[in-house]
Amino acid sequence: RKEVEQDPGPFNVPEGATVAFNCTYSNSASQSFFWYRQDCRKEPKLLMSVYSSGNEDGRFTAQLNRASQYISLLIRDSKLSDSATYLCVVNKGSNTGKLIFGQGTTLQVKP
Amino acid sequence: EADIYQTPRYLVIGTGKKITLECSQTMGHDKMYWYQQDPGMELHLIHYSYGVNSTEKGDLSSESTVSRIRTEHFPLTLESARPSHTSQYLCASRANGGNQPQHFGDGTRLSIL
Repeated sequence: RKEVEQDPGPFNVPEGATVAFNCTYSNSASQSFFWYRQDCRKEPKLLMSVYSSGNEDGRFTAQLNRASQYISLLIRDSKLSDSATYLCVVNKGSNTGKLIFGQGTTLQVKP
Repeated sequence: EADIYQTPRYLVIGTGKKITLECSQTMGHDKMYWYQQDPGMELHLIHYSYGVNSTEKGDLSSESTVSRIRTEHFPLTLESARPSHTSQYLCASRANGGNQPQHFGDGTRLSIL
């Protein structure tokens, strides 16, 4: 079993749609959670950190459920430019700063 | 946005050559990381460093080596490149303290013929 599991997709949605991605992680000692965005053949870029109380950044909302070891990302009013792969990322639960990356969920927003 | 730089961006080279991939950051970050990523696959940690003169192997075994003589510089070396080393190599660093995210350089796309 992978330490961070995501549905690879692809998710094909029309512009303006709301789409949700989910992620589960296996290490209950993990303390830091992030969503990264990766465009094709590019480096991952931090989209947002995920906090226990949930947090929002414009059209993006992240939620964390520690009891279920589950993280979600909601994108509202999808834009063409949101097309990318979204990586769920969890720290190792130690002080090393090491991160575990999920394989990513691919989003394709169509006109 | 983090200031972390990788060179070269692309490298196509023959088997048996010695290669050094450069990674530099100007933020004074202690922790730095090297990842390997094949197309459509997840990132795998191959090396990391907590600071000067500290290097550790990552979760994925790699024939490459790294050094950390200066805080800002974390080069990766392949002594004798092989076609199996063809991949994208991504360098990252993170700010000290707390639950900080990692920030990535542009990556080096390496192709061994």
